[in-house]
Order: sequence, then C-alpha cells, then structure tokens
Amino acid sequence: DVKVTQSSRYLVKRTGEKVFLECVQDMDHENMFWYRQDPGLGLRLIYFSYDVKMKEKGDIPEGYSVSREKKERFSLILESASTNQTSMYLCASSLNSGFTYEQYFGPGTRLTVT
Amino acid sequence: AQSVTQPDIHITVSEGASLELRCNYSYGATPYLFWYVQSPGQGLQLLLKYFSGDTLVQGIKGFEAEFKRSQSSFNLRKPSVHWSDAAEYFCAVGLTGNQFYFGTGTSLTVIP
Repeated sequence: DVKVTQSSRYLVKRTGEKVFLECVQDMDHENMFWYRQDPGLGLRLIYFSYDVKMKEKGDIPEGYSVSREKKERFSLILESASTNQTSMYLCASSLNSGFTYEQYFGPGTRLTVT
Repeated sequence: AQSVTQPDIHITVSEGASLELRCNYSYGATPYLFWYVQSPGQGLQLLLKYFSGDTLVQGIKGFEAEFKRSQSSFNLRKPSVHWSDAAEYFCAVGLTGNQFYFGTGTSLTVIP
C-alpha cells in the first residue's frame, strides 16, 4: 500500500514565523502535490513537483515555496506565516507515466497561525 | 470554464437508505474520474476510479459510480448507507499532463 506521511498533524505558529511542512511517500512516485483545504472551497493546488528539484506553481502559490531534494520528500515552506494561511494542508503523490493516475493523500496538517 | 461541480453541499440520509451523490464536469474530452472520501480530520481516501471501459465501476466500502458521457456526470451511489459512511465526499477529474481538479465536496450526515 502507498503510504504518504506528513510531519505534523497539528501545528500552531505565530505570524511572521517561517514554517516547514514535510511530506514523505514510500512508493517511488514521481509526482508530489501540496493542497490547502478550506471549508466551501474544496482542495486548491499550491504547488506540485514531477521530479527531484522540479516544481510547478498551482492555483494559489503566493506566500508559499517548495523544495524537493529527494524523490520521496516534498516540503512546503511558508516564508512568513500570516493568519490567512490558517488551513488544512494536504500532501499527495502519484505515478507519472503520461496518464493522470490517482493521487494518494497523507493525513493532513492542520495549521493555525496566530 | 473548466470545472467539477458537486451541486449538493450537504446531504442527510437515514441509516439503511440508499445514497446518490452527484458530480458533473465540464471538460472537452472524457477525463479520468475519481471519487474520494474524507473522514473528519483525515486525508482523502480513494473510493473508486474510472479510466475507460465499463461505465459502471465498483469501489471499496460498497460504493459504485456510473459514468454518463451524455450528461457529463459521474454520480456515486450506495444501496444501503451505514453510520460509518458519514464523511465528506469529493469528486475529482484528471486530465493529461497531471492536471487534477476537485469538486468542493458533499458532506454526508447519516441519522439512525
């Protein structure tokens, strides 16, 4: 079974702090994704990566950056956290073979910025 | 505009009753279609998927979904709902180039 893990289930940070969210997958998937989930808005893509050191902006990249130094690990960075970044953050991974395969999700990190 | 629509924000059903959750999409070609379920405080779990072939697909937990090209729909069904099915359900569309779009979700409440 694919396993996607996220470093924290709950996180509380102060405004202006630099925040790192870590995601690790164990199935050698090429693609990894970061979403944020807010009530009534569904899942919105922040960034995705299709290979080590490669990244693409999603729909809402402002205020975020990402890092993928190893195939299994994809980090989301909030350079200076703000209260409007309080949200649930979901990481996902999938195969990449020219088709769009299903994504496998981690349990999520609920981030609160005060 | 391209979109995935789940018209029902919230649905309440009695335990043992049948369930149908609606999903419509507006993309030119037939996309890959998925249903996910999210229990409170958890990540998303894949229920079923449609890539091609038989338009009625079976998934886990007794769910099924039917792809109807003429209606651009992929509705999720279950003949008899259990209290443990209370969760949020997301329809998703996958296009070429790893583009993946989610609906805004339908929250299911199951009453005894």
